[in-house]
Amino acid sequence: NAGVTQTPKFRVLKTGQSMTLLCAQDMNHEYMYWYRQDPGMGLRLIHYSVGEGTTAKGEVPDGYNVSRLKKQNFLLGLESAAPSQTSVYFCASRGLSRETQYFGPGTRLLVL
Amino acid sequence: KQEVTQIPAALSVPEGENLVLNCSFTDSAIYNLQWFRQDPGKGLTSLLLIQSSQREQTSGRLNASLDKSSGRSTLYIAASQPGDSATYLCAVGTSGTYKYIFGTGTRLKVLA
Repeated sequence: NAGVTQTPKFRVLKTGQSMTLLCAQDMNHEYMYWYRQDPGMGLRLIHYSVGEGTTAKGEVPDGYNVSRLKKQNFLLGLESAAPSQTSVYFCASRGLSRETQYFGPGTRLLVL
Repeated sequence: KQEVTQIPAALSVPEGENLVLNCSFTDSAIYNLQWFRQDPGKGLTSLLLIQSSQREQTSGRLNASLDKSSGRSTLYIAASQPGDSATYLCAVGTSGTYKYIFGTGTRLKVLA
């Protein structure tokens, strides 16, 4: 039982490049979340999903897209990376009832 | 719009002290509140989850309380140890949504 895993752990991009961050969970959770964490700003919700095939916008969705084609996977895409997207990205999941959120280890992204 | 505040932003205490971390929220219509610990460069680990119908939760040396009417939660750490040094974050789940809003955290240092 690996919990929540994130791929890659670290990535450097040039402005304008694209990439996809992968989040996978093996707990059969319905809800999945993508957050970004920046110094002094805490965690901010980018997008979330309440089930397979569904996605919704969070607090800071601009510049990001997501997909949840399979229940266990939640993908975060950056179509044209900008330096303002330099951050640490965390994925989380939780079950249907009012349960604990479980977090992945994070992906550090540097956009030059 | 739900806003979550954690004061103080940083705290240093000598080993053995009992301490209280604070979390305030502006909208009392919550369905749960969660306290997390984050070590430098790591993901978030759940410490305690309080449902909206509960007043407190305990786990070992940790006790979290919730007062919805006043928009406050406290995390009490008894007999602090150097291993408790970390950043502590609270997250509020707001009723009617599946989203969590995080505070900016309290960075705790316990001195040996």
